[in-house]
Amino acid sequence: AQTVTQSQPEMSVQEAETVTLSCTYDTSESDYYLFWYKQPPSRQMILVIRQEAYKQQNATENRFSVNFQKAAKSFSLKISDSQLGDAAMYFCAYRSAGNQFYFGTGTSLTVIP
Amino acid sequence: ETGVTQTPRHLVMGMTNKKSLKCEQHLGHNAMYWYKQSAKKPLELMFVYSLEERVENNSVPSRFSPECPNSSHLFLHLHTLQPEDSALYLCASSQGPGSYYGYTFGSGTRLTVV
Repeated sequence: AQTVTQSQPEMSVQEAETVTLSCTYDTSESDYYLFWYKQPPSRQMILVIRQEAYKQQNATENRFSVNFQKAAKSFSLKISDSQLGDAAMYFCAYRSAGNQFYFGTGTSLTVIP
Repeated sequence: ETGVTQTPRHLVMGMTNKKSLKCEQHLGHNAMYWYKQSAKKPLELMFVYSLEERVENNSVPSRFSPECPNSSHLFLHLHTLQPEDSALYLCASSQGPGSYYGYTFGSGTRLTVV
């Protein structure tokens, strides 16, 4: 089975600065999707960004971007110009070719004013 | 409006009680899911329903019983739970199983078993 590893249980960033959250995964598949979800204190998990494995270009959504390294099986999330509202748990997720999702254990991000 | 609504938001129940969690979506999605979220653990997929038929049951104990009466509603019936079942239970929906667009999640039910 695929595994998703988030090695940083907690991270902090100064407001307006940039932070990178790491994610690695283990798979033998070549076709898959990767996602980052944000879970604020309201508890609803919100999709932040997605990446198709067949695309070499890194996905970008406003202040959020990824660094997708397929050979290294790495999928990090960069948050630029961090805002107080970015404080949340962030989960990395892998969607297999068989349409199954695998989630990491999450990274708790604190934004310092 | 979250798109996926879960009730109740909090639930405390004794080990001999019977209760139900409710999930509702009006996004036109045809797949719905129950996940268990425990601290410091990955989300655990419990059940998947696609077009109102259960397509996956990940070795979940029989004290958890799902029900999907239609494509907009999903229930999780609980009975004789154990303290280790205390967790956040998340409902999600998608347009087809494992949609390219990912899931839309609800805000969860925080369950405490005493």
